[in-house]
Amino acid sequence: KAGVTQTPRYLIKTRGQQVTLSCSPISGHRSVSWYQQTPGQGLQFLFEYFSETQRNKGNFPGRFSGRQFSNSRSEMNVSTLELGDSALYLCASSLGGRRGTEAFFGQGTRLTVV
Amino acid sequence: GDSVTQMEGPVTLSEEAFLTINCTYTATGYPSLFWYVQYPGEGLQLLLKATKADDKGSNKGFEATYRKETTSFHLEKGSVQVSDSAVYFCALTPAGNQFYFGTGTSLTVIP
Repeated sequence: KAGVTQTPRYLIKTRGQQVTLSCSPISGHRSVSWYQQTPGQGLQFLFEYFSETQRNKGNFPGRFSGRQFSNSRSEMNVSTLELGDSALYLCASSLGGRRGTEAFFGQGTRLTVV
Repeated sequence: GDSVTQMEGPVTLSEEAFLTINCTYTATGYPSLFWYVQYPGEGLQLLLKATKADDKGSNKGFEATYRKETTSFHLEKGSVQVSDSAVYFCALTPAGNQFYFGTGTSLTVIP
């Protein structure tokens, strides 16, 4: 079965612009979570969506937002981009069970802000 | 809050050497524990997991045991190969799809 698909793979944006990243989870998975990976801060949790509702949220400013559609696909939006937003953004898909089931990660979107 | 502390890298080993990467955690309740691996330019791949105390996760020769008494989940492999060169992340999740990751340990295996 198909894995987690993130598009686009690479993005270059200018400071102040906004960007939308997309994630298509594994078929049947209802939970999608997003992570920011940088050399300095490592992997940091942004938010999780389950059945179109935000279930958990990390400690990021309001410029970072997301949503999930009825087919479980998710988008992440970053407004008013800053240089520090340059990172690899990873999406993870899982069945979403409360016990902590394994997550499957996409290859990520590499965002560069110039 | 929940957190993971992972052995600092980088680690360089000769082929067929024994590998240990230490991982300890802090969590309320009973989290599930994971090891993920990341190859250059790729996302994270699940290596192994354990969902309760004393569980042993294993895959591709790698093993880790969930030790509640020492709050640890150390990764081991008896004989590493060049193809094992990657970054290894220890992680926990209390529930749902929210993971707390360690800082990652870069492993390089030389022939």
